[in-house]
Amino acid sequence: SQQGEEDPQALSIQEGENATMNCSYKTSINNLQWYRQNSGRGLVHLILIRSNEREKHSGRLRVTLDTSKKSSSLLITASRAADTASYFCATDSGGSYIPTFGRGTSLIVHP
Amino acid sequence: DTAVSQTPKYLVTQMGNDKSIKCEQNLGHDTMYWYKQDSKKFLKIMFSYNNKELIINETVPNRFSPKSPDKAHLNLHINSLELGDSAVYFCASSPWDREGETQYFGPGTRLLVL
Repeated sequence: SQQGEEDPQALSIQEGENATMNCSYKTSINNLQWYRQNSGRGLVHLILIRSNEREKHSGRLRVTLDTSKKSSSLLITASRAADTASYFCATDSGGSYIPTFGRGTSLIVHP
Repeated sequence: DTAVSQTPKYLVTQMGNDKSIKCEQNLGHDTMYWYKQDSKKFLKIMFSYNNKELIINETVPNRFSPKSPDKAHLNLHINSLELGDSAVYFCASSPWDREGETQYFGPGTRLLVL
């Protein structure tokens, strides 16, 4: 069953702006991951945040996790045209560590 | 070197045909998966194998049969193809890590059933 729901479904920004995508989920999780999918390609893992963590950084990416609100956000700072892609959150919960994916946010960064 | 590879990349076929998609990973991972991504980009897990043994079989028609000859390969055979089977099928692998399984995806196989 689908766990994470990304918001917004689509986001269009100019190069240099920041992009924020959100993910909400229903049940308590073990971990939450963010993936990127370029058009016509497979998904690429970006970052994993555990349920006892609140924030993680990787380069221009910043992920936050609020377990009380059952939500996470992915911030891409100083966006580039190459960041144009779909971004998915994936959660695992209970005894299963296999992630369940949301429907993704489609990000377009205009040069 | 390609970590997770799939063949073919594109597959166009007629309804009722039987087809196979092959997947190989050279990452030494213990676990492999098949996902189906529909036209709305919803990614749904179909099967998961750990060390050649089936551990997840989501609600998938029994026309779909995975086969794992060894832990580096997980092939997907589809019998009696239907129009609704048109989608992108992704193979993925991950290490058997109980602290969160990062998935490594193949490039996908775009299946079109006519």
